[in-house]
Amino acid sequence: NAGVTQTPKFRVLKTGQSMTLLCAQDMNHEYMYWYRQDPGMGLRLIHYSVGEGTTAKGEVPDGYNVSRLKKQNFLLGLESAAPSQTSVYFCASSPGGVPVEQFFGPGTRLTVL
Amino acid sequence: AQSVTQPDIHITVSEGASLELRCNYSYGATPYLFWYVQSPGQGLQLLLKYFSGDTLVQGIKGFEAEFKRSQSSFNLRKPSVHWSDAAEYFCAVGGRGGSEKLVFGKGTKLTVNP
Repeated sequence: NAGVTQTPKFRVLKTGQSMTLLCAQDMNHEYMYWYRQDPGMGLRLIHYSVGEGTTAKGEVPDGYNVSRLKKQNFLLGLESAAPSQTSVYFCASSPGGVPVEQFFGPGTRLTVL
Repeated sequence: AQSVTQPDIHITVSEGASLELRCNYSYGATPYLFWYVQSPGQGLQLLLKYFSGDTLVQGIKGFEAEFKRSQSSFNLRKPSVHWSDAAEYFCAVGGRGGSEKLVFGKGTKLTVNP
């Protein structure tokens, strides 16, 4: 099993450009999450999904959109990138039910110029 | 809403020395508690978790943590640190109200001197 994978690993955007980050998991997990990690801020939840076709806002959702059309995939979109969105983005998944551990992907480093 | 505080931003220890990383949480009931480790350039890996029962939990890589309800703490310990333990460590708390969300602390970066 590959676990949680993220595509791409690195990306540089210009302000105003759009892009989509892809997260895929092969563990048949119900729940998936997108976080951003910034120095000194820890991990902050952007959006999450509790099942195929569902999404919900996390702590810092502004400027991002998500979709969960297939159970194994969770997409994070930036419609008009801003320098404040320069960060490392992590995807995670968990089986569902009580808060069991979340399984993390390797991250995507995004720079917005 | 739950919250997590990791009071130490950066800790430096010598290889072979003991380690204790502090974590304090805020939650109205007994929470679910986790410690994750992040090596440079990597994702987060679960070290250990507390759900209920024995308040001293054992994890991978020789780590353990103790849940102390009276102090709202879940400190991570290791008796003898190895150079490969240099990483960033995150404490996280989850509520028992049915939410799948975890709240993470801001992390403690561990440096190990030879």
